[in-house]
Amino acid sequence: AAGVIQSPRHLIKEKRETATLKCYPIPRHDTVYWYQQGPGQDPQFLISFYEKMQSDKGSIPDRFSAQQFSDYHSELNMSSLELGDSALYFCASSPSGTSGGLNTGELFFGEGSRLTVL
Amino acid sequence: AQSVAQPEDQVNVAEGNPLTVKCTYSVSGNPYLFWYVQYPNRGLQFLLKYITGDNLVKGSYGFEAEFNKSQTSFHLKKPSALVSDSALYFCAVRGTFMDTGRRALTFGSGTRLQVQP
Repeated sequence: AAGVIQSPRHLIKEKRETATLKCYPIPRHDTVYWYQQGPGQDPQFLISFYEKMQSDKGSIPDRFSAQQFSDYHSELNMSSLELGDSALYFCASSPSGTSGGLNTGELFFGEGSRLTVL
Repeated sequence: AQSVAQPEDQVNVAEGNPLTVKCTYSVSGNPYLFWYVQYPNRGLQFLLKYITGDNLVKGSYGFEAEFNKSQTSFHLKKPSALVSDSALYFCAVRGTFMDTGRRALTFGSGTRLQVQP
């Protein structure tokens, strides 16, 4: 079965640079979530999108922005990178139940994009 | 606000013995509760969930969890642990709102399960 696809899997940047992470949800999943997991920490919710509109907002820094496109894929844009942004960034998707996919409650996670800021 | 507490940073158990990983939650309304497992440098894999119905839910790899509303707990259990069960386990909650279909999960701090041969 198709899973959530994230790219790139690994990314190395320097301080003050920018980075873009991409997420392709499972087909017929219309809701996308972004999480940040620092070393030894639990996943922290950043932001989510439903039908291309921001659905929920967590602890996303002002330096970060995200959007969802018409094909439901999402991109997380990070600017003015700091050392503390080094983390594993997860994307998850779920069907809301209104776009053809059955809403079973759980989120389906990708393998993550590991960002290292030097 | 919704929150999850996992009081144990690490649980050690011998292979073949039963295991329990504890989780308590706080949420407005009826909760949706989940357990996920994470192996090193991997994504979060769904194990099981409680939405409604029987308090004892069964999931993947022989795991089960018991929902206890009065104690606001959702402990993960397995009758006989395997070395391959060694991983990081996260409990998560999702509150029931009208837009629950789009509500994010809130995770606990995680419990590292170590199963010794």
